[in-house]
Amino acid sequence: EAQVTQNPRYLITVTGKKLTVTCSQNMNHEYMSWYRQDPGLGLRQIYYSMNVEVTDKGDVPEGYKVSRKEKRNFPLILESPSPNQTSLYFCASRPERLAGLNEQFFGPGTRLTVL
Amino acid sequence: GQNIDQPTEMTATEGAIVQINCTYQTSGFNGLFWYQQHAGEAPTFLSYNVLDGLEEKGRFSSFLSRSKGYSYLLLKELQMKDSASYLCALGGYKLIFGSGTRLLVRP
Repeated sequence: EAQVTQNPRYLITVTGKKLTVTCSQNMNHEYMSWYRQDPGLGLRQIYYSMNVEVTDKGDVPEGYKVSRKEKRNFPLILESPSPNQTSLYFCASRPERLAGLNEQFFGPGTRLTVL
Repeated sequence: GQNIDQPTEMTATEGAIVQINCTYQTSGFNGLFWYQQHAGEAPTFLSYNVLDGLEEKGRFSSFLSRSKGYSYLLLKELQMKDSASYLCALGGYKLIFGSGTRLLVRP
């Protein structure tokens, strides 16, 4: 089944404790992206990747890191989480040909709480 | 820059028709997407417009006017399961989302 998976789905952590949220897709998509969703603010892009070893900042990259060593995986790293990073996070992917014309496929979401 | 406006909330009755509007400003247009999102779940793709006019997909239709920076999503024969948020998004290398319109369908 074609899908985007994320782990963990739920995470409660404490300020400053490094964490990684994994994202994997099995559709051979070039483009992958991370979003956070907060009430009243909608979906905001954190980072995106056009292909392996190519990443770029989205609209709200502060406090996050990403890597793209393999085509299928795009982990999101919070080196020192803070309470303002409490949010619902979505990973997404799409094929890169005809860049803007393709729908993105979203993972199920990761609900992160930083105490 | 890019900007998208949608109403925050709408209410409609089961079996009725509802139109959700989206206005946008962008320097380069690469299509407009509509997504549906149930509370706590991932957005799912509904429709895509790149040319002016109406695209119909069953109970859902989406309209685009590029000259007016305007789109709408039309939902017919509303069902209770249509209660969700509807997200308008500008296409491109970075998909830019509006804040979404929360639709409540009442019996």
